[in-house]
Amino acid sequence: IAGITQAPTSQILAAGRRMTLRCTQDMRHNAMYWYRQDLGLGLRLIHYSNTAGTTGKGEVPDGYSVSRANTDDFPLTLASAVPSQTSVYFCASSDLRPGANVLTFGAGSRLTVL
Amino acid sequence: AQSVAQPEDQVNVAEGNPLTVKCTYSVSGNPYLFWYVQYPNRGLQFLLKYITGDNLVKGSYGFEAEFNKSQTSFHLKKPSALVSDSALYFCAVRDPTGFQKLVFGTGTRLLVSP
Repeated sequence: IAGITQAPTSQILAAGRRMTLRCTQDMRHNAMYWYRQDLGLGLRLIHYSNTAGTTGKGEVPDGYSVSRANTDDFPLTLASAVPSQTSVYFCASSDLRPGANVLTFGAGSRLTVL
Repeated sequence: AQSVAQPEDQVNVAEGNPLTVKCTYSVSGNPYLFWYVQYPNRGLQFLLKYITGDNLVKGSYGFEAEFNKSQTSFHLKKPSALVSDSALYFCAVRDPTGFQKLVFGTGTRLLVSP
């Protein structure tokens, strides 16, 4: 089934540790995104990429980094995790052709930083 | 900057009754507006979108939304609610800079009682 695969599904992490959340899509979408979901705040964009080799900052990029070495993969790295990064993280992708406009989301990665 | 507001944290409705989930937006230029639904422990799923054309947009699962430019609103509606419609609903607006970054509202929880 075409879509987005995120890993891990859930992770508990000690503060100060490095963590990479993985995201892979098989739809050949140009654009990919990372959002975090927090109660009462909805979804906030962390980083995005509109094509392989390019990335951009979203609304809440501090403490996170991304890379886009190829079309399919868009990992999110927390270099030194802090408790405020406890959240549910969603990867998404979209086709940039005119009229497409719709994001497809992964199932999410629940991260707890202690 | 573009934004959307969902004024209700929760909407309660009895099964068989009509439902409305409210959304207002703020954006320069022509808005691209979206509704997404999130079921427990799942990613967001696309429901419907308004890009241009008819102000009444029909989407998945019998949902529809009405674009009202004068009131800057895009309320989600369904004529007859089902218990299975109980979920978290997000309104979103597209960044008018041309790249498909979506800005999400804080979400409204819909609870449909039997």
